[in-house]
Amino acid sequence: GAVVSQHPSWVICKSGTSVKIECRSLDFQATTMFWYRQFPKQSLMLMATSNEGSKATYEQGVEKDKFLINHASLTLSTLTVTSAHPEDSSFYICSASWTSGRANIYEQYFGPGTRLTVT
Amino acid sequence: AQTVTQSQPEMSVQEAETVTLSCTYDTSESDYYLFWYKQPPSRQMILVIRQEAYKQQNATENRFSVNFQKAAKSFSLKISDSQLGDAAMYFCATLGGGKLIFGQGTELSVKP
Repeated sequence: GAVVSQHPSWVICKSGTSVKIECRSLDFQATTMFWYRQFPKQSLMLMATSNEGSKATYEQGVEKDKFLINHASLTLSTLTVTSAHPEDSSFYICSASWTSGRANIYEQYFGPGTRLTVT
Repeated sequence: AQTVTQSQPEMSVQEAETVTLSCTYDTSESDYYLFWYKQPPSRQMILVIRQEAYKQQNATENRFSVNFQKAAKSFSLKISDSQLGDAAMYFCATLGGGKLIFGQGTELSVKP
């Protein structure tokens, strides 16, 4: 199946600093990437949808100025948490869907997630 | 708007036995897809099974099968011959407007 990577897998940062998380589709081109947030024992909450070369679409209640998303190429999307605070500590998951290659157009392929801890 | 409901927060099954996880959904889409995802302790989301709504035949993948009742908007997952490695969170989801809508999840434990 199609492979999506995330980097880093775990990051600790101090309150007030910014942290960037990368999401890459390794063997297919992804016109659309999604960013989710997940709290322990809870479901995935969609934060935003990003399409290559255009601005991300944020879900209601998600601060676009705090969670900056850039989808600069067909294989890379980044999520930057700006001025992070302890309440931003969470598990962040990206997924990618297909334009061409080995992936199935009706599926999203998930990265392994990034655990963010803000101290 | 699409919604997905999983009414069983936790389920338990004996190893080698069969368990069924429930899911109901609501959608305004005429053509849609339904999914079951597994999230083990590693937290990597793994696609278990996919069902196209226009197909009447229930999808199966080895020990995993679904009971898709379109009129009732029900999409349950049956796991046969349960194995210790099946222990995980299971999420039901529907694809609507290009976005996955997830249920609340069911935590499955497997007893040896």
